[in-house]
Amino acid sequence: EAGVTQSPTHLIKTRGQQATLRCSPISGHTSVYWYQQALGLGLQFLLWYDEGEERNRGNFPPRFSGRQFPNYSSELNVNALELEDSALYLCASSQRDSVWFFGPGTRLTVL
Amino acid sequence: AQSVSQHNHHVILSEAASLELGCNYSYGGTVNLFWYVQYPGQHLQLLLKYFSGDPLVKGIKGFEAEFIKSKFSFNLRKPSVQWSDTAEYFCAVSPTGTASKLTFGTGTRLQVTL
Repeated sequence: EAGVTQSPTHLIKTRGQQATLRCSPISGHTSVYWYQQALGLGLQFLLWYDEGEERNRGNFPPRFSGRQFPNYSSELNVNALELEDSALYLCASSQRDSVWFFGPGTRLTVL
Repeated sequence: AQSVSQHNHHVILSEAASLELGCNYSYGGTVNLFWYVQYPGQHLQLLLKYFSGDPLVKGIKGFEAEFIKSKFSFNLRKPSVQWSDTAEYFCAVSPTGTASKLTFGTGTRLQVTL
């Protein structure tokens, strides 16, 4: 069974640009979660999508947004990039009362 | 909303020493509890989980954790650590009965020396 996949592995952008990160969940999982793992800050919850709808979002500004497609894959968009957005962005998928499976992450560097 | 507290930020142990990492959570209802591990350069992997039943759960690589409901705790233990256990360990909690978000603690960096 294929795990959660994310692309790209690395992404380098400059301040003010936009970044798009992609995630494919495990087959059969309808929920996708995005987390930010910044140095020294642990894993911060960003967004939760389920059945194509945004169900919850963490304490992040609106320039962090995303969507979930009919095949349950998901996209995270970060607009107007700031230096402090540099982090590892993790995607996870899950079913109700099940385990969260994490992808390898996208390392975003903002210069 | 739920929250998770991990008391140890950085732990250094010699090989064969015993390990206990503390985790406390805050939430008004029933929860599912998890420990995840992130080895250097690798992605987050599940060590063990508690959903219901026996509060002492066993995971991979000889790890175990005990859920003490009265203390809102889910401490991770291993009787004898190995150098290969060097990693960052995260405790996490989610409310039961939903696919709601998983809330993580800030993590504990474990360094095992030879």
